[in-house]
Amino acid sequence: GAVVSQHPSWVICKSGTSVKIECRSLDFQATTMFWYRQFPKQSLMLMATSNEGSKATYEQGVEKDKFLINHASLTLSTLTVTSAHPEDSSFYICSARGGSEQYFGPGTRLTVT
Amino acid sequence: LAKTTQPISMDSYEGQEVNITCSHNNIATNDYITWYQQFPSQGPRFIIQGYKTKVTNEVASLFIPADRKSSTLSLPRVSLSDTAVYYCLVGDWVDSSYKLIFGSGTRLLVRP
Repeated sequence: GAVVSQHPSWVICKSGTSVKIECRSLDFQATTMFWYRQFPKQSLMLMATSNEGSKATYEQGVEKDKFLINHASLTLSTLTVTSAHPEDSSFYICSARGGSEQYFGPGTRLTVT
Repeated sequence: LAKTTQPISMDSYEGQEVNITCSHNNIATNDYITWYQQFPSQGPRFIIQGYKTKVTNEVASLFIPADRKSSTLSLPRVSLSDTAVYYCLVGDWVDSSYKLIFGSGTRLLVRP
């Protein structure tokens, strides 16, 4: 099946700093990419939808100034967590749609100390 | 809100067939039904997708009745490594964007 990669797979940062997570579709072009967040023992929560070349659409309750999303090309989307705080510690998962199927990246574990 | 409802958990034994049923009463005409598997600290893995009747691939079968208001994922002869959370999803058109909203999923435990 199609492959979606994320980098880094895990990151530890200090409170107040910013962290960038990259999401790439490796063998297909994704016009739409999605970012999810998952807390322990919970389901995935959709944070935002991004289309190549346009602004991301954020779900209700997600701060767009805190979670900056850039979808610069058909194979790359980035999520930047700005001024991270311990409550932002979570598992961030990106997803890319190719045709009618949607594929997920392996996730990025963010720990804010 | 998720458009699907699944059992929270299921138990099975190695070698058995496992059937997980999902309800999606408000499925739209153009929605596909997709199932994913997720292991701890990993992204969801695509298992199977269907629109109607029956779909089979190398790992599972998906049964969808004519009214499409439910679907059943069938895992033949499960092994310990099939212990995971299984999510059933249908898309949701919101503001011209097709999104997958996750429900709680079904936590499958396969025992020896």
